Amino acid sequence: EADIYQTPRYLVIGTGKKITLECSQTMGHDKMYWYQQDPGMELHLIHYSYGVNSTEKGDLSSESTVSRIRTEHFPLTLESARPSHTSQYLCASSAGTSGTHEQFFGPGTRLTVL
Amino acid sequence: DAKTTQPNSMESNEEEPVHLPCNHSTISGTDYIHWYRQLPSQGPEYVIHGLTSNVNNRMASLAIAEDRKSSTLILHRATLRDAAVYYCILAYNNNDMRFGAGTRLTVKP
Repeated sequence: EADIYQTPRYLVIGTGKKITLECSQTMGHDKMYWYQQDPGMELHLIHYSYGVNSTEKGDLSSESTVSRIRTEHFPLTLESARPSHTSQYLCASSAGTSGTHEQFFGPGTRLTVL
Repeated sequence: DAKTTQPNSMESNEEEPVHLPCNHSTISGTDYIHWYRQLPSQGPEYVIHGLTSNVNNRMASLAIAEDRKSSTLILHRATLRDAAVYYCILAYNNNDMRFGAGTRLTVKP
């Protein structure tokens, strides 16, 4: 079983609030990812990191930001939540950067912005 | 970027084998073929991956065509718990993966 955790699992919040979605892994993985997935739709990569102090934007433009101060922690922040941010956010990690490494996914955070 | 093509949906009967196809005609020599599945209300989970040779693990088998332009995920005996969306993905050198729409597998009792 993968040791990657996301909190909260569900979040309902009002427009304009600042929120941080937490993601932690205990596997010592260098590479971490954030994906966004609307119900019944594809996963879209929004951020990734190669390691501490590394952050990159993914394919899908996102108003969220990320940070990577510690290897095990990769939080995602929305400065001012809007209804268009309503979605499921999935965090993942992998041991390496070659194609032979699998990605381990957390359970996701389902965000609803009213 | 190399892309994959999968059927939108497939059905299977419980305890029968399931063959999930994937086409990746523009695959490059260094791309690994990964399969993940996503059960309802969960994050995706890794199933299997390979480069050139067929692969087996406790969950499934992966059959890769000799020219690598297609592959097939084989579930030897489908159970109701195998009902999920199955994604066929090409992993690039930097391990970035692009998830498509996948195949929604329905397993009938």
